Amino acid sequence: GQQLNQSPQSMFIQEGEDVSMNCTSSSIFNTWLWYKQDPGEGPVLLIALYKAGELTSNGRLTAQFGITRKDSFLNISASIPSDVGIYFCAGQSGYSGAGSYQLTFGKGTKLSVIP
Amino acid sequence: NAGVTQTPKFRVLKTGQSMTLLCAQDMNHEYMYWYRQDPGMGLRLIHYSVGEGTTAKGEVPDGYNVSRLKKQNFLLGLESAAPSQTSVYFCASRLMVGLTYEQYFGPGTRLTVT
Repeated sequence: GQQLNQSPQSMFIQEGEDVSMNCTSSSIFNTWLWYKQDPGEGPVLLIALYKAGELTSNGRLTAQFGITRKDSFLNISASIPSDVGIYFCAGQSGYSGAGSYQLTFGKGTKLSVIP
Repeated sequence: NAGVTQTPKFRVLKTGQSMTLLCAQDMNHEYMYWYRQDPGMGLRLIHYSVGEGTTAKGEVPDGYNVSRLKKQNFLLGLESAAPSQTSVYFCASRLMVGLTYEQYFGPGTRLTVT
């Protein structure tokens, strides 16, 4: 099946630093989604991207849909302690059939922020 | 709106016991999903439903059954629990409108099988 390679797997940063993480695939995706999961909670949708090249912001978060449609990036600026959690990318590849119903998830980037 | 809710939050089972996890959503979403999350494995799809009365297998369906008798509810059953089914289970739902693919998740059920 399709796979998303998410990197880095984990990162430790100082409060106030900027953060970058990415997802890559050997397959083309039509939609990229970024989720954040706090400890003991379910994933929460941060940003949805629907067009190649699209750059979308949500507060201090900015995500981009790669022009090749095989990758996506998430940046967090001026990190704060509540940014701690696991960030997941997810992609959707089809407009019809089973591919249009399902998302493929990366394995997550665990972010730790040192005050 | 409560969004997506899951019952129970925690459960401990002995090997061979059965149980049902309940997912409910009040957003009138057509699609619903069950995932399991294991350390280092991300989210893996167990079963999903594209409407009332319909279900389909996902990536890891073995050992699980599902039912969607009402649009707002999606049940996940374990007929004979095994230690390999120790995991955190998440339900999600999605609106079927145009080309939106955003799934919204519940808070999870932490299941331990001893």
